[in-house]
Amino acid sequence: EDQVTQSPEALRLQEGESSSLNCSYTVSGLRGLFWYRQDPGKGPEFLFTLYSAGEEKEKERLKATLTKKESFLHITAPKPEDSATYLCAVLAASGGSYIPTFGRGTSLIVHP
Amino acid sequence: DAGITQSPRYKITETGRQVTLMCHQTWSHSYMFWYRQDLGHGLRLIYYSAAADITDKGEVPDGYVVSRSKTENFPLTLESATRSQTSVYFCASSEGQALRVYFGPGTRLTVT
Repeated sequence: EDQVTQSPEALRLQEGESSSLNCSYTVSGLRGLFWYRQDPGKGPEFLFTLYSAGEEKEKERLKATLTKKESFLHITAPKPEDSATYLCAVLAASGGSYIPTFGRGTSLIVHP
Repeated sequence: DAGITQSPRYKITETGRQVTLMCHQTWSHSYMFWYRQDLGHGLRLIYYSAAADITDKGEVPDGYVVSRSKTENFPLTLESATRSQTSVYFCASSEGQALRVYFGPGTRLTVT
């Protein structure tokens, strides 16, 4: 049973067309949620950490928000260079530690 | 500042052979992780380590062995490679629980 579900799996946007990516989770007692960006052939690159419901973080055209059941990554007026796969991860309990558990990602393509 | 490095970056091996993937980080982070990334599955945790000489299983540990005798190194060994272990392997590290996770560039492994 997936603890982290991302939607949509793929998204195509025109340059300037704002949209949102969703990350829903089922873990109880969330300790934190990460957003990463991954370009083809590279390792994931950190974007944000959110720790509590109501928290928001911004970076350039990206804004991440968190509720008790899901997180959104809002992309405002995207550019072609925003094309990438966006990964969400929640900190899930494993033994005595909290370990990042990833969703399958949303592949974003922004057309010029 | 080298950060986190993986070697080799590409490896082709035959079924049944033993393969070791290397991971080195220069930050003295306490946590280190091994993930594999496959189409349709996203990033799945193989093993993690909370400190030197402390390792624990993740979601998909079968067929893999890890060790961590030094804080900076976390090698992953496939004892007898199988075709199902063809994947991209990512090593990662974190200064502590609930903190940002840094990823290496990945090793693309093909088992023929």
